[in-house]
Amino acid sequence: GENVEQHPSTLSVQEGDSAVIKCTYSDSASNYFPWYKQELGKGPQLIIDIRSNVGEKKDQRIAVTLNKTAKHFSLHITETQPEDSAVYFCAASKRSNYQLIWGAGTKLIIKP
Amino acid sequence: SQTIHQWPATLVQPVGSPLSLECTVEGTSNPNLYWYRQAAGRGLQLLFYSVGIGQISSEVPQNLSASRPQDRQFILSSKKLLLSDSGFYLCAWGISGNTIYFGEGSWLTVV
Repeated sequence: GENVEQHPSTLSVQEGDSAVIKCTYSDSASNYFPWYKQELGKGPQLIIDIRSNVGEKKDQRIAVTLNKTAKHFSLHITETQPEDSAVYFCAASKRSNYQLIWGAGTKLIIKP
Repeated sequence: SQTIHQWPATLVQPVGSPLSLECTVEGTSNPNLYWYRQAAGRGLQLLFYSVGIGQISSEVPQNLSASRPQDRQFILSSKKLLLSDSGFYLCAWGISGNTIYFGEGSWLTVV
């Protein structure tokens, strides 16, 4: 079955710097890759997603890139701000499947 | 727009007591519904999912059960709670394309 690995487990960056979180997946049939942000005590919120027919997608300071050949995708956050501090989860799924396979999460810490 | 409601937000239950968490979705029809559990500081574990009324798939053997009595209602239950059932329970919904949206979660502490 599908397996998603996420790295790093913890990432600490200086405010204003960029942060990059990477995920790899095992099933080449996976075609949908969302990223969620979870603040303490709250449910995860979808922040950006990408499908396998595109290589990159941007939304203001957030971008996701997908390398289908290498089977990995990454979340890029530029000009980090204190409110970016949270746990970020990646996931992967196939169109035919109702389930998302989740990464283990990355705790992002923005240092003032 | 679609909204998801989940309650109660927090509860403390003794070992051996029953559990009922409820989730409802508004603004959509025939959603896929999900129950996840998250241990403190850990990842997301899928417990149950449902693609329609009365259709429940279980992902993890446990003393929990789920029911979907109405199209937009999803209930998580237990007859006798264990200490290991403590955690953060999340209901989620989706329509198509695999995107799912989470509720605010329910904190369960079994004592």
